[in-house]
Amino acid sequence: EDQVTQSPEALRLQEGESSSLNCSYTVSGLRGLFWYRQDPGKGPEFLFTLYSAGEEKEKERLKATLTKKESFLHITAPKPEDSATYLCAGHSGSARQLTFGSGTQLTVLP
Amino acid sequence: DADVTQTPRNRITKTGKRIMLECSQTKGHDRMYWYRQDPGLGLRLIYYSFDVKDINKGEISDGYSVSRQAQAKFSLSLESAIPNQTALYFCATSQGYEQYFGPGTRLTVT
Repeated sequence: EDQVTQSPEALRLQEGESSSLNCSYTVSGLRGLFWYRQDPGKGPEFLFTLYSAGEEKEKERLKATLTKKESFLHITAPKPEDSATYLCAGHSGSARQLTFGSGTQLTVLP
Repeated sequence: DADVTQTPRNRITKTGKRIMLECSQTKGHDRMYWYRQDPGLGLRLIYYSFDVKDINKGEISDGYSVSRQAQAKFSLSLESAIPNQTALYFCATSQGYEQYFGPGTRLTVT
């Protein structure tokens, strides 16, 4: 059974304090590892897709990386507007669907 | 205009009532999905459809049914609503592996 586990469940940072969010996965025949941002009461917003170990993607203060067992979302010098829940999901080659983690709720304090 | 729209955005209904949630998309994607989101449980797949004639059960389909009226429209029905179906419901679309989400419907069953 495919599984995606995110840690920590919640993270509070001061503005400018860099950190990383973790996503551990066991997904058979991984076809892609996805990161989403979700604001309260809104739909998840697509951020990145990573396809193979060693791949990195960047967008503003966010950088996503992928190994064979984990993905990290690095947040550099975060701002309060980066506060959100960050979700990761894996897509397997056998299933025709995404398996989501339960998310990391990030709060960036001014 | 939003690419993926959901109606209604909020709904309060009573136990035993039938209710339909609707999703429309202008992205031209073939694949559509229905998820529910509960605090601490993440996003769970209810049903998915890869085209008008291809509809599949997801992880938690019991108590739900769907209809794919056209490429752009995918409806979710609760035949007899119960309180534990109170949740946030999201529709998503994809053409490949990346999924794009609608704004959600907050459903409360009293």
